[in-house]
Amino acid sequence: DAKTTQPPSMDCAEGRAANLPCNHSTISGNEYVYWYRQIHSQGPQYIIHGLKNNETNEMASLIITEDRKSSTLILPHATLRDTAVYYCIVRHNPQETSGSRLTFGEGTQLTVNP
Amino acid sequence: DTEVTQTPKHLVMGMTNKKSLKCEQHMGHRAMYWYKQKAKKPPELMFVYSYEKLSINESVPSRFSPECPNSSLLNLHLHALQPEDSALYLCASSTAGTQKRAKNIQYFGAGTRLSVL
Repeated sequence: DAKTTQPPSMDCAEGRAANLPCNHSTISGNEYVYWYRQIHSQGPQYIIHGLKNNETNEMASLIITEDRKSSTLILPHATLRDTAVYYCIVRHNPQETSGSRLTFGEGTQLTVNP
Repeated sequence: DTEVTQTPKHLVMGMTNKKSLKCEQHMGHRAMYWYKQKAKKPPELMFVYSYEKLSINESVPSRFSPECPNSSLLNLHLHALQPEDSALYLCASSTAGTQKRAKNIQYFGAGTRLSVL
């Protein structure tokens, strides 16, 4: 799976949009971009994933550049409860039969300030 | 319901003890996972079960012994652990690739915080 690079930490004001970048310059054509987050002392939580088109769900939006070498996770109106470590993970097409490996990098610690 | 339940939440054990961690899901997922997470580090994959068969073992020491007795349950048996094995142990589940509408999104439990004395 392709390696990802994320800033170690970011701050955001409550109510503002949080834009979390991820570089994955070695991504290959069949690899998806996944985002998970881990709130302190909890298990990781799935947020969103995409292949090449931008995606949006009730939690966030995912913007993938046209060359797919980087992406941005957008939390449109950050709250204090969004303070967490955010992980960007790139991995193969999820149709593999043997279970899907997730390789976590160091992630970005997002702190939402009041 | 997207819940993965892990028990116990906390466990303290000596180096000669035998204990087991348990994980349960009722989402019909046929892939289940064990991860280990040390403090301030990302989770690291230990084992993957697919259709109740072990499909991935990330060279985990034999003092960790996984078991998948049925499609809803996953156990991790612990024996003769070392203090450096103290960590948060996370269980996850997902659809397996051949399941209908598989997205292979992994759902995680809250973890078992293990301390080895």
